[in-house]
Amino acid sequence: KQEVTQIPAALSVPEGENLVLNCSFTDSAIYNLQWFRQDPGKGLTSLLLIQSSQREQTSGRLNASLDKSSGRSTLYIAASQPGDSATYLCAVYTNAGKSTFGDGTTLTVKP
Amino acid sequence: GAGVSQSPSNKVTEKGKDVELRCDPISGHTALYWYRQRLGQGLEFLIYFQGNSAPDKSGLPSDRFSAERTGESVSTLTIQRTQQEDSAVYLCASSLEGPSGYTFGSGTRLTVV
Repeated sequence: KQEVTQIPAALSVPEGENLVLNCSFTDSAIYNLQWFRQDPGKGLTSLLLIQSSQREQTSGRLNASLDKSSGRSTLYIAASQPGDSATYLCAVYTNAGKSTFGDGTTLTVKP
Repeated sequence: GAGVSQSPSNKVTEKGKDVELRCDPISGHTALYWYRQRLGQGLEFLIYFQGNSAPDKSGLPSDRFSAERTGESVSTLTIQRTQQEDSAVYLCASSLEGPSGYTFGSGTRLTVV
Protein backbone atom coordinates (compact mmCIF):
# COMPACT_ATOMS: atom_id res chain seq x y z
CA LYS A 1 0.00 0.00 0.00
CA GLN A 2 1.39 3.38 -1.02
CA GLU A 3 2.13 5.76 1.85
CA VAL A 4 3.02 9.40 1.35
CA THR A 5 4.73 11.47 4.03
CA GLN A 6 5.37 15.19 4.07
CA ILE A 7 7.88 16.73 6.43
CA PRO A 8 7.73 19.17 8.10
CA ALA A 9 4.04 19.41 8.93
CA ALA A 10 4.41 23.16 9.39
CA LEU A 11 7.02 25.71 8.43
CA SER A 12 7.35 29.41 9.16
CA VAL A 13 9.87 31.58 7.33
CA PRO A 14 10.54 35.29 6.84
CA GLU A 15 9.69 36.83 3.50
CA GLY A 16 12.38 36.47 0.86
CA GLU A 17 13.76 33.14 2.00
CA ASN A 18 14.23 30.20 -0.33
CA LEU A 19 12.69 27.02 1.06
CA VAL A 20 12.26 23.33 0.36
CA LEU A 21 9.26 21.15 1.10
CA ASN A 22 9.72 17.40 1.20
CA CYS A 23 7.55 14.52 0.08
CA SER A 24 8.44 10.84 0.40
CA PHE A 25 6.59 7.77 -0.81
CA THR A 26 7.03 4.08 -0.10
CA ASP A 27 6.25 2.50 -3.48
CA SER A 28 8.44 3.76 -6.32
CA ALA A 29 6.16 2.29 -9.03
CA ILE A 30 4.43 5.58 -9.71
CA TYR A 31 3.11 7.16 -12.89
CA ASN A 32 3.36 10.74 -11.73
CA LEU A 33 3.65 13.03 -8.76
CA GLN A 34 1.62 16.21 -8.44
CA TRP A 35 2.11 19.16 -6.10
CA PHE A 36 -0.93 21.15 -5.01
CA ARG A 37 -1.60 24.28 -3.03
CA GLN A 38 -4.60 24.58 -0.72
CA ASP A 39 -5.70 27.86 0.80
CA PRO A 40 -7.84 27.75 3.96
CA GLY A 41 -11.43 26.72 3.17
CA LYS A 42 -10.64 26.23 -0.51
CA GLY A 43 -10.10 23.38 -2.93
CA LEU A 44 -6.74 22.24 -4.28
CA THR A 45 -4.90 24.11 -7.01
CA SER A 46 -2.40 22.16 -9.08
CA LEU A 47 1.09 23.64 -9.09
CA LEU A 48 3.29 21.13 -10.88
CA LEU A 49 2.90 17.66 -12.36
CA ILE A 50 5.98 15.48 -12.83
CA GLN A 51 5.67 12.34 -14.92
CA SER A 52 7.63 9.29 -13.79
CA SER A 53 10.09 9.72 -16.68
CA GLN A 54 10.92 13.29 -15.67
CA ARG A 55 13.35 14.55 -13.07
CA GLU A 56 11.96 18.03 -12.51
CA GLN A 57 9.41 20.64 -13.50
CA THR A 58 9.55 24.40 -13.11
CA SER A 59 6.91 27.09 -12.99
CA GLY A 60 7.94 30.60 -12.09
CA ARG A 61 9.47 30.59 -8.62
CA LEU A 62 8.58 26.92 -8.09
CA ASN A 63 10.73 23.94 -8.93
CA ALA A 64 9.75 20.36 -8.20
CA SER A 65 12.14 17.44 -8.44
CA LEU A 66 11.47 13.73 -8.46
CA ASP A 67 13.77 10.86 -7.51
CA LYS A 68 11.72 7.70 -8.01
CA SER A 69 14.41 5.30 -6.89
CA SER A 70 14.69 6.91 -3.48
CA GLY A 71 10.96 7.66 -3.23
CA ARG A 72 11.39 11.39 -2.81
CA SER A 73 10.23 14.67 -4.26
CA THR A 74 11.04 18.21 -3.24
CA LEU A 75 9.24 21.47 -3.94
CA TYR A 76 11.59 24.42 -3.98
CA ILE A 77 10.09 27.89 -3.56
CA ALA A 78 12.41 30.79 -4.37
CA ALA A 79 12.15 34.24 -2.82
CA SER A 80 9.10 33.39 -0.72
CA GLN A 81 6.28 35.92 -0.37
CA PRO A 82 3.43 36.25 2.15
CA GLY A 83 1.04 35.22 -0.63
CA ASP A 84 2.77 31.83 -0.72
CA SER A 85 1.28 31.06 2.70
CA ALA A 86 -0.88 27.98 2.25
CA THR A 87 -0.84 24.21 2.72
CA TYR A 88 1.17 22.34 0.11
CA LEU A 89 0.23 18.75 -0.68
CA CYS A 90 1.90 16.15 -2.81
CA ALA A 91 0.10 13.25 -4.42
CA VAL A 92 1.49 10.17 -6.14
CA TYR A 93 -0.46 8.33 -8.83
CA THR A 94 0.06 4.59 -9.21
CA ASN A 95 -1.32 1.79 -11.36
CA ALA A 96 -4.09 1.44 -8.78
CA GLY A 97 -5.75 4.17 -10.81
CA LYS A 98 -5.81 6.86 -8.15
CA SER A 99 -3.53 9.20 -6.24
CA THR A 100 -2.45 8.92 -2.64
CA PHE A 101 -2.03 12.24 -0.87
CA GLY A 102 0.32 13.35 1.86
CA ASP A 103 -1.09 15.28 4.81
CA GLY A 104 0.57 18.47 3.61
CA THR A 105 3.01 21.08 4.86
CA THR A 106 1.46 24.30 6.13
CA LEU A 107 3.67 27.20 5.13
CA THR A 108 3.57 30.64 6.73
CA VAL A 109 5.64 33.40 5.16
CA LYS A 110 5.98 36.36 7.49
CA PRO A 111 6.24 39.89 6.05
CA GLY B 1 -17.08 23.82 -18.49
CA ALA B 2 -13.76 25.46 -17.81
CA GLY B 3 -13.23 23.73 -14.50
CA VAL B 4 -14.65 21.14 -12.14
CA SER B 5 -17.89 22.40 -10.61
CA GLN B 6 -19.29 21.16 -7.33
CA SER B 7 -22.65 21.93 -5.77
CA PRO B 8 -23.77 22.93 -3.29
CA SER B 9 -20.73 24.76 -1.95
CA ASN B 10 -22.09 24.47 1.58
CA LYS B 11 -24.67 22.12 3.06
CA VAL B 12 -25.99 21.99 6.60
CA THR B 13 -28.17 19.00 7.36
CA GLU B 14 -29.72 17.38 10.37
CA LYS B 15 -28.41 14.09 11.64
CA GLY B 16 -30.25 11.21 10.02
CA LYS B 17 -31.13 13.03 6.80
CA ASP B 18 -29.86 12.00 3.36
CA VAL B 19 -27.73 14.37 1.27
CA GLU B 20 -26.66 14.45 -2.38
CA LEU B 21 -23.50 16.15 -3.53
CA ARG B 22 -22.94 16.91 -7.19
CA CYS B 23 -19.80 17.09 -9.31
CA ASP B 24 -19.56 18.30 -12.92
CA PRO B 25 -16.16 17.33 -14.30
CA ILE B 26 -14.26 19.02 -17.07
CA SER B 27 -15.75 18.05 -20.41
CA GLY B 28 -13.87 15.12 -21.92
CA HIS B 29 -12.30 13.98 -18.66
CA THR B 30 -12.84 10.26 -18.39
CA ALA B 31 -11.68 9.84 -14.80
CA LEU B 32 -13.54 11.26 -11.81
CA TYR B 33 -12.59 10.99 -8.14
CA TRP B 34 -14.23 11.78 -4.81
CA TYR B 35 -12.16 12.54 -1.72
CA ARG B 36 -13.12 13.57 1.80
CA GLN B 37 -11.16 16.01 3.94
CA ARG B 38 -12.00 16.36 7.60
CA LEU B 39 -11.04 19.56 9.37
CA GLY B 40 -7.29 19.82 9.74
CA GLN B 41 -6.68 16.45 8.12
CA GLY B 42 -5.48 15.08 4.80
CA LEU B 43 -7.45 13.79 1.82
CA GLU B 44 -9.19 10.46 2.17
CA PHE B 45 -10.01 8.58 -1.04
CA LEU B 46 -13.64 7.57 -1.42
CA ILE B 47 -14.42 6.39 -4.96
CA TYR B 48 -13.05 6.53 -8.51
CA PHE B 49 -14.77 6.28 -11.90
CA GLN B 50 -12.88 5.59 -15.13
CA GLY B 51 -14.90 5.62 -18.32
CA ASN B 52 -17.27 2.67 -18.52
CA SER B 53 -15.27 0.49 -16.14
CA ALA B 54 -16.68 -0.63 -12.82
CA PRO B 55 -15.94 2.06 -10.22
CA ASP B 56 -13.34 1.56 -7.52
CA LYS B 57 -15.42 1.87 -4.36
CA SER B 58 -12.70 0.68 -2.01
CA GLY B 59 -12.57 3.96 -0.07
CA LEU B 60 -16.25 4.30 0.81
CA PRO B 61 -16.36 4.22 4.63
CA SER B 62 -19.73 2.50 5.03
CA ASP B 63 -22.76 1.34 3.10
CA ARG B 64 -24.39 4.69 3.84
CA PHE B 65 -22.15 6.13 1.14
CA SER B 66 -22.79 5.59 -2.57
CA ALA B 67 -21.94 7.35 -5.81
CA GLU B 68 -23.12 7.28 -9.37
CA ARG B 69 -21.78 8.68 -12.58
CA THR B 70 -23.72 9.17 -15.79
CA GLY B 71 -21.44 8.18 -18.65
CA GLU B 72 -18.46 10.49 -18.56
CA SER B 73 -20.31 13.44 -17.10
CA VAL B 74 -21.99 14.33 -13.84
CA SER B 75 -21.40 12.36 -10.65
CA THR B 76 -23.51 12.34 -7.51
CA LEU B 77 -22.25 11.28 -4.09
CA THR B 78 -25.08 10.28 -1.75
CA ILE B 79 -24.78 9.94 2.00
CA GLN B 80 -27.74 8.29 3.70
CA ARG B 81 -28.71 8.75 7.34
CA THR B 82 -25.96 11.31 7.90
CA GLN B 83 -23.94 11.21 11.11
CA GLN B 84 -21.93 13.98 12.75
CA GLU B 85 -18.69 12.26 11.77
CA ASP B 86 -19.67 12.77 8.12
CA SER B 87 -19.01 16.49 8.56
CA ALA B 88 -16.16 17.33 6.20
CA VAL B 89 -15.30 18.92 2.89
CA TYR B 90 -16.06 16.59 0.00
CA LEU B 91 -13.75 17.20 -2.93
CA CYS B 92 -14.22 16.04 -6.50
CA ALA B 93 -11.45 15.86 -9.08
CA SER B 94 -11.38 14.89 -12.74
CA SER B 95 -8.61 13.86 -15.07
CA LEU B 96 -8.28 13.45 -18.84
CA GLU B 97 -7.01 10.04 -17.96
CA GLY B 98 -5.48 9.02 -14.69
CA PRO B 99 -1.80 9.79 -15.24
CA SER B 100 -2.47 13.23 -16.71
CA GLY B 101 -3.00 14.85 -13.32
CA TYR B 102 -6.01 15.94 -11.33
CA THR B 103 -8.08 19.11 -11.49
CA PHE B 104 -10.11 19.70 -8.34
CA GLY B 105 -13.38 21.44 -7.72
CA SER B 106 -13.83 23.87 -4.84
CA GLY B 107 -15.53 21.25 -2.71
CA THR B 108 -18.75 20.93 -0.77
CA ARG B 109 -18.55 21.69 2.93
CA LEU B 110 -20.99 19.38 4.71
CA THR B 111 -22.01 20.07 8.28
CA VAL B 112 -24.20 17.57 10.10
CA VAL B 113 -25.92 19.02 13.17
